[in-house]
Amino acid sequence: DSGVTQTPKHLITATGQRVTLRCSPRSGDLSVYWYQQSLDQGLQFLIQYYNGEERAKGNILERFSAQQFPDLHSELNLSSLELGDSALYFCASSVTTGYVETQYFGPGTRLLVL
Amino acid sequence: AQSVTQLDSQVPVFEEAPVELRCNYSSSVSVYLFWYVQYPNQGLQLLLKYLSGSTLVESINGFEAEFNKSQTSFHLRKPSVHISDTAEYFCAVSDVGGSQGNLIFGKGTKLSVKP
Repeated sequence: DSGVTQTPKHLITATGQRVTLRCSPRSGDLSVYWYQQSLDQGLQFLIQYYNGEERAKGNILERFSAQQFPDLHSELNLSSLELGDSALYFCASSVTTGYVETQYFGPGTRLLVL
Repeated sequence: AQSVTQLDSQVPVFEEAPVELRCNYSSSVSVYLFWYVQYPNQGLQLLLKYLSGSTLVESINGFEAEFNKSQTSFHLRKPSVHISDTAEYFCAVSDVGGSQGNLIFGKGTKLSVKP
């Protein structure tokens, strides 16, 4: 158990819909990352938040957005869903020791768009 | 920009045999290197990491990886695998001291250990 929690575990929805994925980082971790894992693209970095502020953006579509709240939990919002958005979405939180940042992953949310 | 190549998508091996999972990376800057393991229907777990110092790093469950700067490789090895090692293994890199801590992952290698 990494200490990172994600809800829901599974989500089935239809094309055109909007969903929200939730992530609670490990206690004390300020940084939250979102990744998408799909069969064709593999594991891809989407976005990072640090203490409520967006810090880095990866291959995140404009239909997707995220935010980090004052209690440090984060939400990933996916809208106008398409079949190709079906994937496993991981959240990770990180701890920095010295100059080194290590990420710890949650169990993921499996999204199926029908 | 960095990239990671895992040369084998699947590696079948018999129990108690040795295994090597290959990882090569490309980067114009210094990197940290990681191996993550994903057991069936689970999230990613950090297996081991290379940050600096000794080029050989070990995990608690018998895996080891060696950083080879000249060959830009970070291959993962285990001298004798168990059935329980069946999982998908991901190699990843991140910038050293960069503003972006996000990990760049390889496509993964599925290790299948057969009795």
